[in-house]
Amino acid sequence: QKEVEQNSGPLSVPEGAIASLNCTYSDRGSQSFFWYRQYSGKSPELIMFIYSNGDKEDGRFTAQLNKASQYVSLLIRDSQPSDSATYLCAAFQGAQKLVFGQGTRLTINP
Amino acid sequence: DTEVTQTPKHLVMGMTNKKSLKCEQHMGHRAMYWYKQKAKKPPELMFVYSYEKLSINESVPSRFSPECPNSSLLNLHLHALQPEDSALYLCASSLAGTGGQETQYFGPGTRLLVL
Repeated sequence: QKEVEQNSGPLSVPEGAIASLNCTYSDRGSQSFFWYRQYSGKSPELIMFIYSNGDKEDGRFTAQLNKASQYVSLLIRDSQPSDSATYLCAAFQGAQKLVFGQGTRLTINP
Repeated sequence: DTEVTQTPKHLVMGMTNKKSLKCEQHMGHRAMYWYKQKAKKPPELMFVYSYEKLSINESVPSRFSPECPNSSLLNLHLHALQPEDSALYLCASSLAGTGGQETQYFGPGTRLLVL
């Protein structure tokens, strides 16, 4: 079982709709969870981080964490073509090793 | 300011060459990281430095040699690389490096091609 699992997609969403990205993790010791956005040929860019169970909102982005189910999600409201990218979910294995999922490729269709 | 800089942006080297990648941050972060990312794959951790000391080496071949001369600078020395080492090399940093599980900020990366 991979430490962090994501649906690789591609996920296609019409412009203005909600994009929902999901991630599960296996290490119950993980306390911090991250969503990075990566455009083709670029480096990962931090979108959201979440430590506590529940929802965390930042503009059009909402991260959700359920530690009992070992599940993290990212919702993108009012999706824009500029949101088209690969979204990487990451969790810690131990104190300093950040482990990434395979990434979900998201395409927003105008 | 959450900027991590990396040089060079692109590097082409032969298998007998010696080259170095450089990473710099001026955010006062005390943990720095090297990751390797192959095409269509996620980043994979190579090395972690905490307070200028190597704290994690993910069983990386000795042809990759990290160095942390001071708290702001991280180098990756490359020697006798193989074509399969061609990848995007990412540097990241985080605030304190103790207690762990901190947000890591990535630099723009160095795209390496080994011929």
